[in-house]
Amino acid sequence: EVQLLESGGGLVQAGGSLRLSCVGTGFTFSHFAMSWVRQAPGTGLEWVSAISGSTGTTYYADSVKGRFTISRDNSKDTLYLEMDNLRAEDTALYYCAKVVAVGLLYFDHWGQGSLVTVSS
Amino acid sequence: IVLTQSPATLSSSLGERVTLFCGAGRTLSTNYLAWYQQKRGLAPKLIIYDASTRAAGVPDRFTGSGSGTDFTLTISRLEAEDSAVYFCQQYGSSPLITFGQGTRLEI
Repeated sequence: EVQLLESGGGLVQAGGSLRLSCVGTGFTFSHFAMSWVRQAPGTGLEWVSAISGSTGTTYYADSVKGRFTISRDNSKDTLYLEMDNLRAEDTALYYCAKVVAVGLLYFDHWGQGSLVTVSS
Repeated sequence: IVLTQSPATLSSSLGERVTLFCGAGRTLSTNYLAWYQQKRGLAPKLIIYDASTRAAGVPDRFTGSGSGTDFTLTISRLEAEDSAVYFCQQYGSSPLITFGQGTRLEI
């Protein structure tokens, strides 16, 4: 059974930093691209970033480009999101999601989310 | 590509059929469109990909269709458990990935 478990969320002041982690189990982690998707309270879904499985090619939404860094450690089956210079509008539940394939960037499994709150 | 979903909220009854709409601001040449179901307090769940292919374990009451700029999700024989917010997502055109704003379905 595929499982994704996020951690690292919390309360941070505007301008601060936070690192999210996501451990993937039940599948060969290194074979799949992974992504972060966020959801601000009471709103819709916003794609944040994605990373390919083996080459580590990264992709970012314009809203986070230059502030967030996605990475992965395939030896630990773990995905990361380093978030710097956080803003109030980054407040959201951050989901880790497994991508079906590079080039087919939809998500067949999701974690339960890690809440990030940025205070201004 | 902007995705616009309608209606924002939809109310229906058990056993009925509903159709949710997702319109793309530009043609999706590859029909790379997915639908997700999100129940209150839970993560989204994939139900349709490539516009019309049901994900594993999704009942055949859920049907996706469409091409170009107009896509629909039809849910037949509504059950109470279908109450959720439904999001569409495109994954074939720049920007890489965008979601619609969602349709809330109340049974």
